[in-house]
Amino acid sequence: ELPLVESGGGLIQPGGSLRLSCAASGFMFSNYGMNWVRQAPGKGLEWIAYISSRTASYADSVKGRFTISKDSDKNLLYLQMSRLRVEDTAVYYCAKEWAEGNYYSGSGSFDFWGPGTLVAVSS
Amino acid sequence: QSVLTQPTSVSGISGQRVTISCSGSSSNIGSNSVNWYQQLPGTAPKLLIRYNNQRPSAVPDRFSGSRSGTSASLAISGLQSDDEADYYCAAWDDSLNGVLFGGGTKLTVL
Repeated sequence: ELPLVESGGGLIQPGGSLRLSCAASGFMFSNYGMNWVRQAPGKGLEWIAYISSRTASYADSVKGRFTISKDSDKNLLYLQMSRLRVEDTAVYYCAKEWAEGNYYSGSGSFDFWGPGTLVAVSS
Repeated sequence: QSVLTQPTSVSGISGQRVTISCSGSSSNIGSNSVNWYQQLPGTAPKLLIRYNNQRPSAVPDRFSGSRSGTSASLAISGLQSDDEADYYCAAWDDSLNGVLFGGGTKLTVL
């Protein structure tokens, strides 16, 4: 069983909304910070959001449009995306912080990644 | 502007050693740890090096990382054809309050 599996991707029109989910298993989900990272077709990795029990932070490219949240009772991570743009087209990965603990900042050290879910924004 | 700069591509002969550089600034590499990822085509990234030079147990000791000042590097010795992949550095940036990834380096094994 994969420790992280994303779902919810698909084709959406510009200006629309979509919610991604990431199901976690095999570790104490509530004890770890989590992240969303995306990769546009043929491009590099772009971090977009981090959440712990203490804080949430966002990349400037999605701030005010995307919201990261976490349900530790259900072991689910979410990314609510609104006002989607063509340039948001990407594979979206959820990624777990390596270090255990809920911190005010992330580390960039992600030991588990999901396989990714594709979001395509197009008219 | 906060960026992590990597060479677009590097190449090396099978069995030899290559290094990939990652240049940043005082708000990222200069004050936070550097991590390295390997991404094979069509797959999710894999953590190769965490906290500048720590290697997860499943990663071969052919891979090593180092940091000095505002720069870091990944070294791969005993190059194998399986090492052909994209490699990314990453670090938290205090100014952006977020994670920065380098642009990625494509490794070709000749």
